[in-house]
Amino acid sequence: DTGVSQNPRHKITKRGQNVTFRCDPISEHNRLYWYRQTLGQGPEFLTYFQNEAQLEKSRLLSDRFSAERPKGSFSTLEIQRTEQGDSAMYLCASSLGLEKLFFGSGTQLSVL
Amino acid sequence: AQKVTQAQTEISVVEKEDVTLDCVYETRDTTYYLFWYKQPPSGELVFLIRRNSFDEQNEISGRYSWNFQKSTSSFNFTITASQVVDSAVYFCALIPEETSGSRLTFGEGTQLTVNP
Repeated sequence: DTGVSQNPRHKITKRGQNVTFRCDPISEHNRLYWYRQTLGQGPEFLTYFQNEAQLEKSRLLSDRFSAERPKGSFSTLEIQRTEQGDSAMYLCASSLGLEKLFFGSGTQLSVL
Repeated sequence: AQKVTQAQTEISVVEKEDVTLDCVYETRDTTYYLFWYKQPPSGELVFLIRRNSFDEQNEISGRYSWNFQKSTSSFNFTITASQVVDSAVYFCALIPEETSGSRLTFGEGTQLTVNP
């Protein structure tokens, strides 16, 4: 069990640029989640995959956000035309069914 | 829709004191799971406990204990004889049973500071 891995740990970008984050879940986990956390708040759900199928998306996930999980393995979260309000910690989690979610260390995004 | 409320934003105690973190939830689902997570300064969310809505037995794990009361929709967390290493943000969370959705809803967290 190597845990959930997220890359990069930190990303600084200029407003208007595109960014992509990667999440490698625990290998046997079929569920993968993306959350966003801002300072002083609890994580907010963004989207959820079961294997390669994206089954649920939050209203927080505007059309500038897209997530994929090709072949049901790793996942990517892309933000196009970043805005300062996108600055947050982006957390990935994986699980086997509704057992406990294992979280990665997150990608801290700063949009200047 | 689900809602989790952690009314205590910050708690500060002295080492060896007992401390209870409150969690109150709202859900229309009859079957759901409740969680507590710890987020130390490093940022990674660490799983502490998962409880099924049908299991109201209290649970103890070392210095940690949880009191689940369905009648008051509460799932409180007590740390006995607190230690400096317990300093972290603690999140309570809820996820409905399979057929009702898949998202884990978090409270806003309680910042616990244990002073030596």
